[in-house]
Amino acid sequence: DTGVSQDPRHKITKRGQNVTFRCDPISEHNRLYWYRQTLGQGPEFLTYFQNEAQLEKSRLLSDRFSAERPKGSFSTLEIQRTEQGDSAMYLCASSRSNVQGNEQFFGPGTRLTVL
Amino acid sequence: GQSLEQPSEVTAVEGAIVQINCTYQTSGFYGLSWYQQHDGGAPTFLSYNALDGLEETGRFSSFLSRSDSYGYLLLQELQMKDSASYFCAVDGSNTGKLIFGQGTTLQVKP
Repeated sequence: DTGVSQDPRHKITKRGQNVTFRCDPISEHNRLYWYRQTLGQGPEFLTYFQNEAQLEKSRLLSDRFSAERPKGSFSTLEIQRTEQGDSAMYLCASSRSNVQGNEQFFGPGTRLTVL
Repeated sequence: GQSLEQPSEVTAVEGAIVQINCTYQTSGFYGLSWYQQHDGGAPTFLSYNALDGLEETGRFSSFLSRSDSYGYLLLQELQMKDSASYFCAVDGSNTGKLIFGQGTTLQVKP
């Protein structure tokens, strides 16, 4: 257990439905990242928050995806009008800035299956 | 574009030494990380190299050559529990976001 939690752990939905995932990072970590991982691939960067500010979004992230970190603590990732291609593991990671190295602590992930 | 190349699979026996190589091509570079991921698990941090040279942490060591855009992870005294996927990752900006390779599946045999 890295101290980063994600909820739910699994989500099955029908195409066209909206889904929302939650990430609770380690409390003193000001940086929060969302990644997506498909089978046999490395995690792919989606978006980055420093405190409550969303500072970077991947160009691969369509406008169906939105993320928030309202008080600089937990974060949510929403996918609207899900498509089968959205099926993946969604990973959240947190870290502290201004520390040596770039150790990111990953949560257990939310596995999304779109039918 | 940005890319990281690493072998897809490596097999070794218990007690042996294995080296997993990683070459990268990125627009920026702050450091090279290595992560371990067991089936069904989350990636866990192993090491980080910002400067050229070897970093040693127990049975694991990591090397970086910035001039060659190359690094490797060295695993010594392999144990069955080391069977996992290993990812190299570059942070190419001051945001710390990671660009991952496709991963190397290590199978340790008795």
